[in-house]
Amino acid sequence: QVQLVESGGGVVQPGRSLRLSCAVSGLTFSNYGMHWVRQAPGKGLEWVAVISYDGDNKYYADSVKGRFTISRDNSKNTLSLQMNSLRTEDTAVYYCAKGDGGSYYEPFDNWGQGTLVTVSS
Amino acid sequence: DIVMTQSPDSLAVSLGERATINCKSSQSVFYNSNNNHYLAWYQQKPGQPPKLLIYRASTRESGVPDRFSGSGSGTDFTLAISSLQAEDVAVYYCQQYYSAPLTFGGGTKVEIK
Repeated sequence: QVQLVESGGGVVQPGRSLRLSCAVSGLTFSNYGMHWVRQAPGKGLEWVAVISYDGDNKYYADSVKGRFTISRDNSKNTLSLQMNSLRTEDTAVYYCAKGDGGSYYEPFDNWGQGTLVTVSS
Repeated sequence: DIVMTQSPDSLAVSLGERATINCKSSQSVFYNSNNNHYLAWYQQKPGQPPKLLIYRASTRESGVPDRFSGSGSGTDFTLAISSLQAEDVAVYYCQQYYSAPLTFGGGTKVEIK
């Protein structure tokens, strides 16, 4: 059974940093592209970033480009999101999601339960 | 960026009746090389992560009841629930995965009338 478990969320002041992790089990992690998706309170879904199966290629939403970095450790089945220079508008539940294949361009067939990031002074 | 526009924002349907949600993409999400539309539908119930229902515009994910169906082509797509059940109360999102940034529609909230 595929499981994705996020951790690392919390309350942080504007301008500070936070690192999210997603532990993945139940599949061959290194075969799949992985994504971060966020959802502000009461709002819709916003795609944040994707990383290829081998970690060589990454894409970001314009709203986080230059501030967030997605990475993966295929030896530990772990996906990460380093978030720097956080803004109040980054407040959201952050989900990790698995792409249904090795490409970036796949639907998201498994999701974690999410971790809440609150950016507030 | 491809903009995904859903309509309506919300709808209330009687139990057992049909619900229809529309999604329009600002450009085609059709890949000629494999003859597929890169369009997915997700269901999100309160307090839960989204769940994949439909991909390639019309293919049901394993385990999804057959009352859910997807259709459409080019830039216009539809998710239909043929006979609404109480457990179908949720917000539904369309998504294009044709090009980065991958984008979602704004969501449609389905309630019981």
